[in-house]
Amino acid sequence: NAGVMQNPRHLVRRRGQEARLRCSPMKGHSHVYWYRQLPEEGLKFMVYLQKENIIDESGMPKERFSAEFPKEGPSILRIQQVVRGDSAAYFCASSLQRGSTDTQYFGPGTRLTVL
Amino acid sequence: DAKTTQPPSMDCAEGRAANLPCNHSTISGNEYVYWYRQIHSQGPQYIIHGLKNNETNEMASLIITEDRKSSTLILPHATLRDTAVYYCISDNDYKLSFGAGTTVTVRA
Repeated sequence: NAGVMQNPRHLVRRRGQEARLRCSPMKGHSHVYWYRQLPEEGLKFMVYLQKENIIDESGMPKERFSAEFPKEGPSILRIQQVVRGDSAAYFCASSLQRGSTDTQYFGPGTRLTVL
Repeated sequence: DAKTTQPPSMDCAEGRAANLPCNHSTISGNEYVYWYRQIHSQGPQYIIHGLKNNETNEMASLIITEDRKSSTLILPHATLRDTAVYYCISDNDYKLSFGAGTTVTVRA
């Protein structure tokens, strides 16, 4: 049973470009969470999605960031007009049930570097 | 902000047991204690979790005090590959709060 998959593993963008990060949850999991880890810091919650619905985006910056989890395909975290401060590791996690009652399993992350 | 307190670092000899403490004095009745670890820059790896009773799996044991205000993660036979940052999280929310964790260095 494959774990959580994320791609790309490394992504380099120039300021002003768009970054699209993909996350495929574990088989059978319909709950997806995105976290961001800035250099030398702990992971911070960004958004919680369930198939086709955004449940909680309280940790997402108000501008330039968006997330989706369509009926078919992976969850996408999209960052428009990237700035240097967006450079970080972005981790996706999934759970079988709602995370507060079930374990979240994490992917390997996407390391975004903004030049 | 994390609701747990962990020592910033600890060393452990290879082959010996590693005992990682965690204080969660404000834990409420329905909050679980979760342990994850992050090896180098990889994604956090789930280790174990518990509510009231002690738990054991193939990776580790979790000992929770009777008043639930603290717990200890035990790695029975540490190997060099156990070198990582270990996070103790007490939560009943899907927004996992990762603090600074304990940097564990296993030495040969």
